[in-house]
Formats: sequence, C-alpha cells, structure tokens
Amino acid sequence: AQTVTQSQPEMSVQEAETVTLSCTYDTSESNYYLFWYKQPPSRQMILVIRQEAYKQQNATENRFSVNFQKAAKSFSLKISDSQLGDTAMYFCAFMKLGDNFGNEKLTFGTGTRLTIIP
Amino acid sequence: NAGVTQTPKFQVLKTGQSMTLQCAQDMNHEYMSWYRQDPGMGLRLIHYSVGAGITDQGEVPNGYNVSRSTTEDFPLRLLSAAPSQTSVYFCASSNLGQGANGELFFGEGSRLTVL
Repeated sequence: AQTVTQSQPEMSVQEAETVTLSCTYDTSESNYYLFWYKQPPSRQMILVIRQEAYKQQNATENRFSVNFQKAAKSFSLKISDSQLGDTAMYFCAFMKLGDNFGNEKLTFGTGTRLTIIP
Repeated sequence: NAGVTQTPKFQVLKTGQSMTLQCAQDMNHEYMSWYRQDPGMGLRLIHYSVGAGITDQGEVPNGYNVSRSTTEDFPLRLLSAAPSQTSVYFCASSNLGQGANGELFFGEGSRLTVL
C-alpha cells in the first residue's frame, strides 16, 4: 500500500514571501501521478498542480511549482509571492495508475495548514 | 456552473438513526466517490463507483452503503449512525480512461455529527 507523509501540520508565512510545503511518499510503483490539492476555509477542495511520474520536468502553474525528486520520493510545493487567498489546508496526494485510470487508488496525506500573514 | 452538489451541508443525528447524504454532478463523469475527512487523518475513501450500476468499497466502507442508479447521482447511506461516523464527508467525481488527467472535482462537504 502507498503512504503519503506531510510532516508539517501547520505553517505560516508573511504575505509576498515564498513558502515550501513538503511531501514524501512510499511506493514500489513506477507509473503514477502526484497532486497538490488546496482546501480554503469553508470552501471546496480544488486541484493546484499535478505531476506525472514519467516526466522529469517539474510542473508549474503560475505562482505554484513543484520539486519532484523521484528517486527520493519527494514532491514539495513551492508558492511564490504568497497571497492572502493562499491561506488554506494543502493536501498532497498519490495516485497509482490502474485499469480505470486510478482514481480509486488515490492516497492523501494528512495535510498542511498554511496561513498567510498580512 | 453547479459541478458537484452535496446535501445537506450540516446534519446532527442520534446514535442508531439512519440518513442519506446526497451527491449529484452535472459533468457527465464516470467516476464518483465518497471520502471522509477527520483531523490528522487526511481524506479516506469510503466507497466509489466507475459507472451506473457499479460500486466498490474503499478504505473505510463499514457502516456505509452506496448505490449508483444514474451517472449523475451517488448517494451515501448511513444505516445506523454511530459516534465514530462524526466527520466531514466529501463527494468527488472525475473522468476516466484515455484523456483523463486524474483530477477530482469535489463538493463543498457535509458536516455530520452523531450524538
């Protein structure tokens, strides 16, 4: 079974600064996806960024980027120029690809609560 | 732009009562699922479905029942509520197969308290 570990339960950072959220995972699979999801207070969870394991290039989405280290099984999220709207719980997730693409094999970490301080 | 709609948003039950959490999506997604979110435990999969008439168990299925009679709807039933089922429940859906990218679309959540 896959496990996903987020070792930082809570973090806070000043507005406009850069912050990095850590995530490590344990798997023997070679074909998988990794995700970061954002859950703002009292709002729906949304996808922030996605990384395919077969791609060496790190994914980026505007101010959000990842540092994917496949050998080390590490998948950190960097938020640049942080904004008040980035305050949320962030979940790292691992998905093994299977017959039905793999959604049922999605494993979430325990989350990191990020607070952006004005 | 409804996406995934869950009802009710809040519910208080007494031990032993039954109830159904409703979930509907308007994106024609094949895959639908129910998660529970508990402090310090992330999200855990309860049940899922890959199409109408097809359901399967996730990580924590005990005490819950599901059915999928249509593509749009995926209700979650608690047959005899227990305090251990106090949690926040999320419904999520996605595309499957070629061209899918694995992204899950979530509802707003249903906070259930069992006394």
